[in-house]
Amino acid sequence: GDSVTQMEGPVTLSEEAFLTINCTYTATGYPSLFWYVQYPGEGLQLLLKATKADDKGSNKGFEATYRKETTSFHLEKGSVQVSDSAVYFCALSGGGSYIPTFGRGTSLIVHP
Amino acid sequence: NAGVTQTPKFQVLKTGQSMTLQCAQDMNHEYMSWYRQDPGMGLRLIHYSVGAGITDQGEVPNGYNVSRSTTEDFPLRLLSAAPSQTSVYFCASSPGTRMSYEQYFGPGTRLTVT
Repeated sequence: GDSVTQMEGPVTLSEEAFLTINCTYTATGYPSLFWYVQYPGEGLQLLLKATKADDKGSNKGFEATYRKETTSFHLEKGSVQVSDSAVYFCALSGGGSYIPTFGRGTSLIVHP
Repeated sequence: NAGVTQTPKFQVLKTGQSMTLQCAQDMNHEYMSWYRQDPGMGLRLIHYSVGAGITDQGEVPNGYNVSRSTTEDFPLRLLSAAPSQTSVYFCASSPGTRMSYEQYFGPGTRLTVT
C-alpha cells in the first residue's frame, strides 16, 4: 500500500536558519502530494501542494518540489521565524483512492 | 463559509458513557473522515465516507460508529467510552476530485475518558 516517511523530530532551529524537512513516499498511480501544518491546539491546515511530477508548491515562504525520480517532496524554507513553530505533516492523495496517507509528523521548534 | 465545524471542543466522559461528536461542513464535499491523534502515533483513520449513505471503516474503527445521512453532517458515536479512547478527534472533508484532493480539517474535539 501507499506510505509516507518523514524525518523524525523535533527539529530545533534558531530564527532565520534554513529549514529542510525530508519526506519520501511510495504509491501506486500518480498521487498528489501535500504538506499540512498544525499549530498548537489547532487542526491541520493545508500549507502547500503539488499535483504532478516537477510541480513546485509554495506558500508563506515554504517550498516543496514533487520529485518522481526520487519519490520525494522535501519541505524547505530559507529563513524560519518563531511563528513557524508547529508540527508539519507530509501526505499523499489520489492515484486511485480517496483515502489520504499521512506521515507521522515532524515537530519544528524555532528559538529567538 | 464556516468550513468544517466540530462540537464540542472539549468533553470529559466516564467509562461506559456514550456520546456523539458532531461534524459539519458547508463546502458540499463528498468525502468526509474522522481521525484520532495521540502523542507519537500521528493521525489514525477511524471511519470515512465517500458520499451520503456510504461509510466504511478505517484503521481503528472498534468502539466507534458513524452514519452519513446528508452531505453536510458526519457524526461519530462512541458506544461505550473507554480510557483508551482519550484522544483528540479531528473531522476532515475533501472535494475528492482528481484536481482537488486536499483535506480540510476541523478544529478538533479533545476527549478525556476517566
